[in-house]
Amino acid sequence: AQRVTQPEKLLSVFKGAPVELKCNYSYSGSPELFWYVQYSRQRLQLLLRHISRESIKGFTADLNKGETSFHLKKPFAQEEDSAMYYCALLSGYSTLTFGKGTMLLVSP
Amino acid sequence: NAGVTQTPKFRVLKTGQSMTLLCAQDMNHEYMYWYRQDPGMGLRLIHYSVGEGTTAKGEVPDGYNVSRLKKQNFLLGLESAAPSQTSVYFCASSYVTGGAMVDIQYFGAGTRLSVL
Repeated sequence: AQRVTQPEKLLSVFKGAPVELKCNYSYSGSPELFWYVQYSRQRLQLLLRHISRESIKGFTADLNKGETSFHLKKPFAQEEDSAMYYCALLSGYSTLTFGKGTMLLVSP
Repeated sequence: NAGVTQTPKFRVLKTGQSMTLLCAQDMNHEYMYWYRQDPGMGLRLIHYSVGEGTTAKGEVPDGYNVSRLKKQNFLLGLESAAPSQTSVYFCASSYVTGGAMVDIQYFGAGTRLSVL
């Protein structure tokens, strides 16, 4: 069965520090992975997806099939990055399986 | 372009009462979803629909029913509300790529439901 694990409930860093939000997955097929973000009082929205291989708001994520990971990274955190981050795995063709989320707090 | 709209935004129910949450999307998306979000549990899929007139169970379907009579609307019903259904409910919709694979999901603003 598919599973997405985000081991950290809360990650607290100072502004300017590097950030890595961990995501590990379990899936028997070829994985399609996403990062969604929910800023305070805003709706959940897509941050990035691995097939696009793009950098959004300075964040990048690389799919590592050997380690079954899709960690989200940013070299220098900003206060406006504070939000809840969800890693998600496309399950079959129709649905996403979400991890439990990691709250990122960036302090000045 | 409103995107995905959920009504109501807030609701308080007594145990045993019923209610319907409405989700409407104006993007002509084929797929629609209902999730619940609970602290420490992330987002869990309740039911989903891959097209008008079709629905399917997700991870946590018990106690909920859904209907997709029109392509743009997806209704979530609670027939007899229980305190365990206190949660934030999110609706989402998605378009389909050429390979029938769901792409980006677009979310509503959520409905905060309390069952006393």
